Amino acid sequence: NAGVTQTPKFQVLKTGQSMTLQCAQDMNHEYMSWYRQDPGMGLRLIHYSVGAGITDQGEVPNGYNVSRSTTEDFPLRLLSAAPSQTSVYFCASSYWRGYSEQFFGPGTRLTVL
Amino acid sequence: KNEVEQSPQNLTAQEGEFITINCSYSVGISALHWLQQHPGGGIVSLFMLSSGKKKHGRLIATINIQEKHSSLHITASHPRDSAVYICAVRGGNQFYFGTGTSLTVIP
Repeated sequence: NAGVTQTPKFQVLKTGQSMTLQCAQDMNHEYMSWYRQDPGMGLRLIHYSVGAGITDQGEVPNGYNVSRSTTEDFPLRLLSAAPSQTSVYFCASSYWRGYSEQFFGPGTRLTVL
Repeated sequence: KNEVEQSPQNLTAQEGEFITINCSYSVGISALHWLQQHPGGGIVSLFMLSSGKKKHGRLIATINIQEKHSSLHITASHPRDSAVYICAVRGGNQFYFGTGTSLTVIP
């Protein structure tokens, strides 16, 4: 199993550019989520999904879109990048029913100039 | 308003010391997770617990549901334990995270 994979590992964008962060898992997990990690603030939930075709907003969804067309993939789209979106982004997945640990991807370090 | 509070924020210990990191939460939960993040590294799950106590090697995690409190203990600490330890709780459809405890173990 590859677990949770994320691409790219690093990205530099200019203000106003758009891009998609990719996330995939091969564990047949229903639940997938995107977090951003900023110094002193801990992980904050951007969007999550409890299954294909179902997505919902988390704590900080503005400026981001997601879709879940398959169980495996959960891409995060930045519509028009802003310097405030400079952060480290983590994708995570888990089973949803019962108790399940979360598996995290390696993270994407994004800088918006 | 922080649903999950951790203490201390920073902790420095001598190798071999017994370490305790505390986590308090304010939401109703189905499970509590302890995570570890090494500098520049990814995040791995150490424990998931909904009651009682779990032990894995030198790490012990406890939870008191009534008091909404959990502790992570590290016995005989080692420099390789240096990392950020994060408490997370699952409430409803979301996970809530503490800001982490940065642990440095000095040889």
